[in-house]
Amino acid sequence: AQTVTQSQPEMSVQEAETVTLSCTYDTSESDYYLFWYKQPPSRQMILVIRQEAYKQQNATENRFSVNFQKAAKSFSLKISDSQLGDAAMYFCASNSNSGYALNFGKGTSLLVTP
Amino acid sequence: EAGVVQSPRYKIIEKKQPVAFWCNPISGHNTLYWYLQNLGQGPELLIRYENEEAVDDSQLPKDRFSAERLKGVDSTLKIQPAELGDSAVYLCASSLGQGTPYNEQFFGPGTRLTVL
Repeated sequence: AQTVTQSQPEMSVQEAETVTLSCTYDTSESDYYLFWYKQPPSRQMILVIRQEAYKQQNATENRFSVNFQKAAKSFSLKISDSQLGDAAMYFCASNSNSGYALNFGKGTSLLVTP
Repeated sequence: EAGVVQSPRYKIIEKKQPVAFWCNPISGHNTLYWYLQNLGQGPELLIRYENEEAVDDSQLPKDRFSAERLKGVDSTLKIQPAELGDSAVYLCASSLGQGTPYNEQFFGPGTRLTVL
């Protein structure tokens, strides 16, 4: 079984600044994937970034990057140069190689202020 | 290419009434998922289909919930009878299927159900 924990219910960042969202996970699988999803008020869940557990290099997608610490089972998301459009709920999720359902955390609500 | 389509977007019903949600996955996606998202929570899997076959329905409350995916394309999720606690967002997602890298899931906009 996999569990995902997000300990920050809410975060706030000023436009153009950098913010880091935290996520820890627990799994008995040896091969798994980690994801960050964004859910704006429209409810459409959008994939932001993904990380394969077997890769040591941290994933990066434009302004979004992760800090993957496998031994600590930590998977944080860093958003650089925050924009008003980044305001949303952010969910950390995991997915094992042997199963396909995503296990989500409870989410972090990100507020971006001008 | 069209994304995952769900209807209706909103549904308000009285308790004990039946309700149905419809999902049309991305063309060519063999795997279809129904997730339940309660207020302030992350989504939780209800059922997963590989083509027409329900391969993981362990979290589906079978006394009142049912689902089908005829012909391995569209899917319908039904609740009968609905209870107050069923008020939530019901998300549908699809992915290419087993053996594909990441098996990335694409989500629909969800149906927000309110049971009065």
